[in-house]
Amino acid sequence: AQTVTQSQPEMSVQEAETVTLSCTYDTSESNYYLFWYKQPPSRQMILVIRQEAYKQQNATENRFSVNFQKAAKSFSLKISDSQLGDTAMYFCAFKGLARGGGGADGLTFGKGTHLIIQP
Amino acid sequence: NAGVTQTPKFQVLKTGQSMTLQCAQDMNHEYMSWYRQDPGMGLRLIHYSVGAGITDQGEVPNGYNVSRSTTEDFPLRLLSAAPSQTSVYFCASSYRGSSGYTFGSGTRLTVV
Repeated sequence: AQTVTQSQPEMSVQEAETVTLSCTYDTSESNYYLFWYKQPPSRQMILVIRQEAYKQQNATENRFSVNFQKAAKSFSLKISDSQLGDTAMYFCAFKGLARGGGGADGLTFGKGTHLIIQP
Repeated sequence: NAGVTQTPKFQVLKTGQSMTLQCAQDMNHEYMSWYRQDPGMGLRLIHYSVGAGITDQGEVPNGYNVSRSTTEDFPLRLLSAAPSQTSVYFCASSYRGSSGYTFGSGTRLTVV
């Protein structure tokens, strides 16, 4: 079964700063997908960015980018020019392609990082 | 608006009661799944489905039942509610998993 680890339970930065959230995962699969989800106080889960493991190029979505290191099984999220609206829980998630048990056909989540953007 | 609709948004149950959490999507997604979110635990997969008539267990399936008779609907049944099932429940759907999952707004369930 896959595992996803987010080692930073909480982070706090000043508005306009750059912040990096870390995520590591463990899998025996070679093809998979990785995601970052944002959960603001409204509770809604919002997809921030996705990465396909077979693509070497790091994904970017406006102020959000990832540093994907496949050999190290690392998938960090960088938020540039942070804004007050970025305050939220951030979850890293893994999606394998192998069929079968252990959550292979759903998402495996880390425990999350609570990001606080200070004014 | 297209998306995933969950009902109800809040529910209080007594121990031993049964209920069904509803989930419907109008995006013609094949993949649907249920998660529970507990403080400090992230989201954990309960059950999932890769198409009508096909369901399977996730990480924490005990005490829950699912069926999928149509592409659109994927209800989650609590057979005999227990306080340990107090949680926030999310339903999610995806075209085939690779594009990411769209989540419903969640159901906060309290079992007393």
